Amino acid sequence: QSVLTQPPSVSGAPGQRVTISCTGSSSNIGAGYDVHWYQQLPGTAPKLLIYGNSNRPSGVPDRFSGSQSGTSASLAITGLQGEDEADYYCQSYDSSLSGSVFGGGTKLTVL
Amino acid sequence: QVQLQESGPGLVKSSETLSLTCTVSGGSISSYYWNWIRKPPGKGLEWIGYIYYSGSTNYNPSLKSRVTISVDSSKNQISLNLSSVTAADTALYYCAREALRGAWFDPWGQGTLVTVSS
Repeated sequence: QSVLTQPPSVSGAPGQRVTISCTGSSSNIGAGYDVHWYQQLPGTAPKLLIYGNSNRPSGVPDRFSGSQSGTSASLAITGLQGEDEADYYCQSYDSSLSGSVFGGGTKLTVL
Repeated sequence: QVQLQESGPGLVKSSETLSLTCTVSGGSISSYYWNWIRKPPGKGLEWIGYIYYSGSTNYNPSLKSRVTISVDSSKNQISLNLSSVTAADTALYYCAREALRGAWFDPWGQGTLVTVSS
């Protein structure tokens, strides 16, 4: 059972918009700790996609965006492309654990 | 740019100690937190723990009794020891850099698969 909760799967057709939620608690996201998002393509290491709730590293398309409110965060992907098919993970810091926590991951399928 | 490379045995016997090394190239270990993260087959990512370049550590409470992370600054290497392993410790093990506590992990190593056999 992961500390952060994500839907196991989401799907969308090419060109559509999908969102992935990440729900935490008062000891992590709700305490004001930033949320970061990673994309893991099959057979590769996780790649930083969004940091500090809504910032994109250099090279990440602006089709990817992040937001945070209260004890939850969301990753939005617009203009879905086949290459976006991957697992997506959220991550934050938890004060009760004094360490980093991840969501269980969400598998994105492009129909 | 900084690159991380994990290495170590791909097969460990149950009840023995898993030992992995992360070699950092293209940059210094100084002023960063160095983390170990794992991904069991079919499951999500799990944070194992970190070591600061100065040597201070913090571990996931669920693994704390079995984990030791150390650093060798002269070799730019971070090591992970996980004792008394069971099949539940079978996973892809990654090392990753963290600039500040609570910050993001970037970059990551490519990961190394460790299988625990009985």
